[in-house]
Amino acid sequence: NAGVTQTPKFQVLKTGQSMTLQCAQDMNHNSMYWYRQDPGMGLRLIYYSASEGTTDKGEVPNGYNVSRLNKREFSLRLESAAPSQTSVYFCASSEWTWTEAFFGQGTRLTVV
Amino acid sequence: KQEVTQIPAALSVPEGENLVLNCSFTDSAIYNLQWFRQDPGKGLTSLLLIQSSQREQTSGRLNASLDKSSGRSTLYIAASQPGDSATYLCAVRRGGNNRKLIWGLGTSLAVNP
Repeated sequence: NAGVTQTPKFQVLKTGQSMTLQCAQDMNHNSMYWYRQDPGMGLRLIYYSASEGTTDKGEVPNGYNVSRLNKREFSLRLESAAPSQTSVYFCASSEWTWTEAFFGQGTRLTVV
Repeated sequence: KQEVTQIPAALSVPEGENLVLNCSFTDSAIYNLQWFRQDPGKGLTSLLLIQSSQREQTSGRLNASLDKSSGRSTLYIAASQPGDSATYLCAVRRGGNNRKLIWGLGTSLAVNP
């Protein structure tokens, strides 16, 4: 029962470095999401993909790009990491955008 | 603009108590509401999804109720156990075309043996 799998679990980057966070789901879900979670601010949507082949901006897309590689995989790329991007990143999926959402275990990213 | 509030921010109870966690939202035009549990350093686990047409949903010792007209949902935990210690998050899904989740900040629950 893998559900939503994120890699890596932890990452430390230097300012200006780039990296890609990977996410895969095995529930045949159509919709996938990337969130960030910061203390006192709750979860904020970065990007989402309502279905394979589409991506849309969420509340806080600046500094990020996404790729819906196929139905299973949705990656998040930081092109030039900044300390403000230090956060915990969660990938989620749901059958459709209005149905129950399931989350991965998170990636704790520190940018120094 | 939809806002979701969870009060209290933190709660500490002795084992065995029945307890209620609260979630309030400002716009009653919701599609559904979802309760999650988050353990420290871990991801979110979906507990219950309650549709806007429903009044309550139950799973084991958990019962979630929804009152759209008053903008409130409650999560009732019966016979609390130390293993219930976690942060409980409420998220409201908007109605209309923009069905994104709007999140509360959570209630941090500690159940003491």
